[in-house]
Amino acid sequence: TQLLEQSPQFLSIQEGENLTVYCNSSSVFSSLQWYRQEPGEGPVLLVTVVTGGEVKKLKRLTFQFGDARKDSSLHITAAQPGDTGLYLCAGRANFGNEKLTFGTGTRLTIIP
Amino acid sequence: GAVVSQHPSWVICKSGTSVKIECRSLDFQATTMFWYRQFPKQSLMLMATSNEGSKATYEQGVEKDKFLINHASLTLSTLTVTSAHPEDSSFYICSATSTLGVAGGLYEQYFGPGTRLTVT
Repeated sequence: TQLLEQSPQFLSIQEGENLTVYCNSSSVFSSLQWYRQEPGEGPVLLVTVVTGGEVKKLKRLTFQFGDARKDSSLHITAAQPGDTGLYLCAGRANFGNEKLTFGTGTRLTIIP
Repeated sequence: GAVVSQHPSWVICKSGTSVKIECRSLDFQATTMFWYRQFPKQSLMLMATSNEGSKATYEQGVEKDKFLINHASLTLSTLTVTSAHPEDSSFYICSATSTLGVAGGLYEQYFGPGTRLTVT
């Protein structure tokens, strides 16, 4: 069974601060995705990373896929209250395998 | 594009009764649909994978006779929680994979808004 551990589990910081969320596994993933989920809603895809070492930027969010494709990180610069939510990483084991394994989740709260 | 809907958005039922949740892909045909369960303050746990016209594949520990999945068309899958009990109370989320837009083996999953089930 492939497991994705996220850290920290909870994070509460002041508006304007920077933060990093980590997603780690002992297994290799062909691709990894990051989602944000708000209470009572389904997860919304933020990014997909495929290549080891890949870095993608989405405005103030920077995503990195580890060289060995076993881990990933999400860095948020100058956090805003609108960034509050549950952040989930999800990995796909093999190309062509549609099944996603979700990480344990990081609940982020940005304090105005 | 690629919108997935769920109905109902929330439901309250009495213990012992059955409840059906629908998942529809509104503007695309879904090769595969997935059903997830999410308990409060926890992540999404995959329950089963369903392909149109075939039996669903259930994850280990998920009772197939309790969680009946029907995927009768490329745009509709249903999850029926039979003889529901309070411990089945959860947030149920479906997702669908499009038959189009496949690039290099990447199948994008589009998630529904979820259904909150409360069993009293």
